Amino acid sequence: EAQVTQNPRYLITVTGKKLTVTCSQNMNHEYMSWYRQDPGLGLRQIYYSMNVEVTDKGDVPEGYKVSRKEKRNFPLILESPSPNQTSLYFCASSTSLSTDTQYFGPGTRLTVL
Amino acid sequence: DQQVKQNSPSLSVQEGRISILNCDYTNSMFDYFLWYKKYPAEGPTFLISISSIKDKNEDGRFTVFLNKSAKHLSLHIVPSQPGDSAVYFCAASYNNNDMRFGAGTRLTVKP
Repeated sequence: EAQVTQNPRYLITVTGKKLTVTCSQNMNHEYMSWYRQDPGLGLRQIYYSMNVEVTDKGDVPEGYKVSRKEKRNFPLILESPSPNQTSLYFCASSTSLSTDTQYFGPGTRLTVL
Repeated sequence: DQQVKQNSPSLSVQEGRISILNCDYTNSMFDYFLWYKKYPAEGPTFLISISSIKDKNEDGRFTVFLNKSAKHLSLHIVPSQPGDSAVYFCAASYNNNDMRFGAGTRLTVKP
């Protein structure tokens, strides 16, 4: 089954404690992205990757890091989380960023205390 | 600066009637537009898209209209069904790079 998986689905942490949200896709997609969804703001892109070892900033990259060492995985790293990073995060993949549909993961609800 | 705007946070319609969700954008460079649907506790799923060279795209009960001069697109659902109740996101992109989303409109279809 074609899918995008994210882990964990729910996470409560404290300010400053490094965390990683994993994202994996089994469709051999080149493009992968991370979004955060906040009320009234919709989905905002954090980082995207066009291929292995190729990443670029989206709209709201501050406080986040990503890596793309393998085609299927695109982890999101928060080195020192802060309360304003409390949000709902989605990973997505597609064959191209805009001219094809994006397949979204189920979301990760992050709370930073 | 929100380049894609969905000005109605919510919409309620009766089952069987038409639902019209609207989306406005400011960047005339956008050349591809999409609608996503999101149920609670799930990721958004692709619904329908339209290229800037077209003004209409239809898929079953769903039709997207694009008015480039007004920088406006709309999603029509006819007839609306209770299972269509969800949050709908409008998205726009340009040059095969970047993608901007609206804030979403919550559609409630009442039986």
